[in-house]
Amino acid sequence: GAVVSQHPSRVICKSGTSVKIECRSLDFQATTMFWYRQFPKKSLMLMATSNEGSKATYEQGVEKDKFLINHASLTLSTLTVTSAHPEDSSFYICSATPTGGFYEQYFGPGTRLTVT
Amino acid sequence: AQKITQTQPGMFVQEKEAVTLDCTYDTSDQSYGLFWYKQPSSGEMIFLIYQGSYDEQNATEGRYSLNFQKARKSANLVISASQLGDSAMYFCAMREGMGNTDKLIFGTGTRLQVFP
Repeated sequence: GAVVSQHPSRVICKSGTSVKIECRSLDFQATTMFWYRQFPKKSLMLMATSNEGSKATYEQGVEKDKFLINHASLTLSTLTVTSAHPEDSSFYICSATPTGGFYEQYFGPGTRLTVT
Repeated sequence: AQKITQTQPGMFVQEKEAVTLDCTYDTSDQSYGLFWYKQPSSGEMIFLIYQGSYDEQNATEGRYSLNFQKARKSANLVISASQLGDSAMYFCAMREGMGNTDKLIFGTGTRLQVFP
């Protein structure tokens, strides 16, 4: 149980285009999901907290107009990188916390984004 | 100030030996949780162990144990009987607050390499 999927696992896009990454909790409902970014050989940096049915809460320094987050259902959150540039190339990881759960936070397998 | 500090960028251990990965944290909250995650080269974050700030006993999960020293604000991970498959990045993380909707703050990680 407690599986979180991400799609796609890898994506290459051209500079200036937008790309959407999906994060799904497969066997539990998640009122809250988190989006992280990880540069090579670096730690995870929290980008935003995604709450079902409300606006995401972005961390300081993260452009909300560039990284659009939509948490439309209890099992799906999406991150859209708009007008992508090469510096947006990174590993994006989501996590989900079961509604009513205790401390659990389950991570997706990550999405490797490369912007050419 | 760093909330989570991992001072060992890399560690080596021989197979079947025990190894301790250091983690110190900084918080003024009374209620918090400490986590350890393993990240193999494939990228997924694998939950290893959790320690709540009010837990009096050190957490254990199989070969993993967390040496929790509250007064020193340290939460070191001990891996006993290391295996080659333990080679990976290890991240310590803290959640301020006890709810699973509170965000995780990650340390910079320690790369563990297990050799035969």
